[in-house]
Amino acid sequence: DIQMTQSPSSVSASVGDRVTITCRASQHINTWLVWYQQKPGKAPKLLLAGSTLQSGVPSRFSGGGSGTDFTLTISSLQPEDFATYYCQQAHILPLTFGGGTKVEI
Amino acid sequence: EVQLVESGGGLVQPGGSLRLSCAASGFTFSSDWMHWVRQAPGKGLVWVSRINGDGSMTNYADSVKGRVTISRDNAKNTVYLQMNSLRAEDTAVYYCARDPGGSSGWFYFDSWGQGTLVTVSS
Repeated sequence: DIQMTQSPSSVSASVGDRVTITCRASQHINTWLVWYQQKPGKAPKLLLAGSTLQSGVPSRFSGGGSGTDFTLTISSLQPEDFATYYCQQAHILPLTFGGGTKVEI
Repeated sequence: EVQLVESGGGLVQPGGSLRLSCAASGFTFSSDWMHWVRQAPGKGLVWVSRINGDGSMTNYADSVKGRVTISRDNAKNTVYLQMNSLRAEDTAVYYCARDPGGSSGWFYFDSWGQGTLVTVSS
């Protein structure tokens, strides 16, 4: 199975901060990487597939990387962005997720 | 608007069975792969199973293989997860999710249900 490792596991930040989350795959996965946002008690929400922002997702979110190393960047943190973020490799079964990064105030 | 509504969760004793359902609307259900993903309390997301549009192909995580069966009824726009021989470690919120990837090689989830809680305990 492909292991997905996110760092940090949590980050404290303020409104307006730039936040970068890293996701590392245990094997080369080209660009088959997606990012989700999850708020407490809610289902995950798709943010990006590869570097493609999903419809309705603010442009302050961006994603990059290929191979084994990927990043999710929030350019200017907004109050509604405080949540947990997960990466997922999107090509090899079993599909696997990172452990999550909690973005806290 | 895509809607996915899960049902069927609840409290079950170890060794018991449960069938989860996910009613879909707002898209051409028979065209899309559907998945189940679970999340234990306070933990991360774990992929469980998937089924293709016509129900002819299924895949499972090793942790549930042999105990879980995914199926679908395209006439009812519903996907199911039959869970047998349940264990305490199966306790989780179970989400159904739509996969928009088609034949692209991308397997991911653009729509999720609200989840249904399965608790395995005596």
